[in-house]
Amino acid sequence: KQEVTQIPAALSVPEGENLVLNCSFTDSAIYNLQWFRQDPGKGLTSLLLIQSSQREQTSGRLNASLDKSSGRSTLYIAASQPGDSATYLCAVDTGNQFYFGTGTSLTVIP
Amino acid sequence: DGGITQSPKYLFRKEGQNVTLSCEQNLNHDAMYWYRQDPGQGLRLIYYSQIVNDFQKGDIAEGYSVSREKKESFPLTVTSAQKNPTAFYLCASSPESRNEQFFGPGTRLTVL
Repeated sequence: KQEVTQIPAALSVPEGENLVLNCSFTDSAIYNLQWFRQDPGKGLTSLLLIQSSQREQTSGRLNASLDKSSGRSTLYIAASQPGDSATYLCAVDTGNQFYFGTGTSLTVIP
Repeated sequence: DGGITQSPKYLFRKEGQNVTLSCEQNLNHDAMYWYRQDPGQGLRLIYYSQIVNDFQKGDIAEGYSVSREKKESFPLTVTSAQKNPTAFYLCASSPESRNEQFFGPGTRLTVL
């Protein structure tokens, strides 16, 4: 069964800092990987989707990379802002279903 | 506006009662999903449907039931057989399976 791990579980950074969130998965047979943001008590907001054939995707200050063979993905956030404070989750699609990590709780300190 | 709606936002249930959570989407998506989220755990799949009148069990389907009579709607019933139903329930949809998922705002169910 696919297992998805996100480290660290929590992260605090000063405003303006660049940061990297990590996601690892145990089975490299995936169709795509998706990064989400979740604010407290809210649903998930899709940030980036990387197809298995792609190496990276970019949207604004966000850049996600995928190394399928090593079972790793990173989400790079440039010039962090207090509004980026949220929990970030990654999910891998095995074709039958998505498997989610437990998330990284990010706090950006003004 | 296109999107996914879930109702109610908060739901309280007495032990032994069945309750139904609503999920509606106007995105014309074929696939719909129900997840459960508990503190400290990732989302876990309860049921999913790739087409009208068809659905499959996820990892934690016991104590839950669903229907998919219309493309836009995928209601989830939490039955009295679900031993620990207090959780945050999230509905999602995608244009087809193996594609980007979009989520609703969630329903928080509390059993009293």
